[in-house]
Amino acid sequence: GENVEQHPSTLSVQEGDSAVIKCTYSDSASNYFPWYKQELGKRPQLIIDIRSNVGEKKDQRIAVTLNKTAKHFSLHITETQPEDSAVYFCAAANTGNQFYFGTGTSLTVIP
Amino acid sequence: GAVVSQHPSWVICKSGTSVKIECRSLDFQATTMFWYRQFPKQSLMLMATSNEGSKATYEQGVEKDKFLINHASLTLSTLTVTSAHPEDSSFYICSAWGRGENEQYFGPGTRLTVT
Repeated sequence: GENVEQHPSTLSVQEGDSAVIKCTYSDSASNYFPWYKQELGKRPQLIIDIRSNVGEKKDQRIAVTLNKTAKHFSLHITETQPEDSAVYFCAAANTGNQFYFGTGTSLTVIP
Repeated sequence: GAVVSQHPSWVICKSGTSVKIECRSLDFQATTMFWYRQFPKQSLMLMATSNEGSKATYEQGVEKDKFLINHASLTLSTLTVTSAHPEDSSFYICSAWGRGENEQYFGPGTRLTVT
């Protein structure tokens, strides 16, 4: 099955700085890579996603890059704000829509 | 966006009893529903995938006789934790994927505590 690794597990940045979270996956059949933000005790919320036919996607302060050859993808958050503090999960999914999540990154933005 | 509900939001039960958790898609037809469990400060672990009208597909290591999943309609899936034990205490989250949808939608989760 798919194996998704995520780094770092914790990340602290100063407000206004950028944050980068990286994930790798093992199954070349995976073709959909979403990123979720989860606040304590709440459901994951999709923040951005990318499909395997695209190398990069941006939505305001958030961007995701995908390198299919190397099987890795990254989340970039620019101009971080305290409300960006949460746990972020990457995931990889295949055509069967089975989602496999990374281990999560706890992001803290220091005011 | 699409809405997925779960019931109950939290439940406390005694060891040895069974608990049923419901997952409903409120405004779309969910052709596929997923069940996850999440331990504190850990990731979501996919337990099983269920398609309407067919048997659920369980991930390796998940006991199908312990975690009974039923997806009887396009808007409802249930997870029954049978003979619950304290180690089953966790946060259980469902998600749903519907026709024409481009993403899966998560329910709010159910916190199960087995005493």
